Amino acid sequence: AQSVTQLGSHVSVSEGALVLLRCNYSSSVPPYLFWYVQYPNQGLQLLLKYTSAATLVKGINGFEAEFKKSETSFHLTKPSAHMSDAAEYFCAVSDGTSYGKLTFGQGTILTVHP
Amino acid sequence: EAQVTQNPRYLITVTGKKLTVTCSQNMNHEYMSWYRQDPGLGLRQIYYSMNVEVTDKGDVPEGYKVSRKEKRNFPLILESPSPNQTSLYFCASSLRGTGEGNEQFFGPGTRLTVL
Repeated sequence: AQSVTQLGSHVSVSEGALVLLRCNYSSSVPPYLFWYVQYPNQGLQLLLKYTSAATLVKGINGFEAEFKKSETSFHLTKPSAHMSDAAEYFCAVSDGTSYGKLTFGQGTILTVHP
Repeated sequence: EAQVTQNPRYLITVTGKKLTVTCSQNMNHEYMSWYRQDPGLGLRQIYYSMNVEVTDKGDVPEGYKVSRKEKRNFPLILESPSPNQTSLYFCASSLRGTGEGNEQFFGPGTRLTVL
């Protein structure tokens, strides 16, 4: 069975600072990995996904994530935070089956200070 | 517009009063799923459906029922709601399962309070 751990339930950064949200996974099969963002009172929206094509994945809104198999990590970064990035972020892993489900981490709330 | 819709968005009910939360998608997706979101626990899968008339339990199915009679609809039924089912519920759909790297599209959520 797969699992996901997001280190830090709350992360606070200043506008313009680097954003780093950590995600570690465990999976018995080569994983598909996803980052979703949830803005207040909205559903989840896909930021980016890893499907083994490239280890550095670029997503929407300037976010990117690097898949590191040796560290079983898929950390999300953005070079310069914007106020509009304030949201909750979820890392998720697929179980790899054809009709697989997603297992989510517990979420990280990102706060951006002016 | 491609979307997943849920109704109602907000619901306050009392213990034991049967309720249904509807979910519909217009993308001709085969795979649909229900999740509940609780603080500090992320999203946990309740039930999923691989296609019409094909459903299976997720991680937290107790107290819930689903049906998939049409491809576009996947209602969630709480036959006897209890306070521990107070939560934020999301419906999601994807072309097939996420095991092929398919993106899941999420509805806007239903906030349920059971008194």
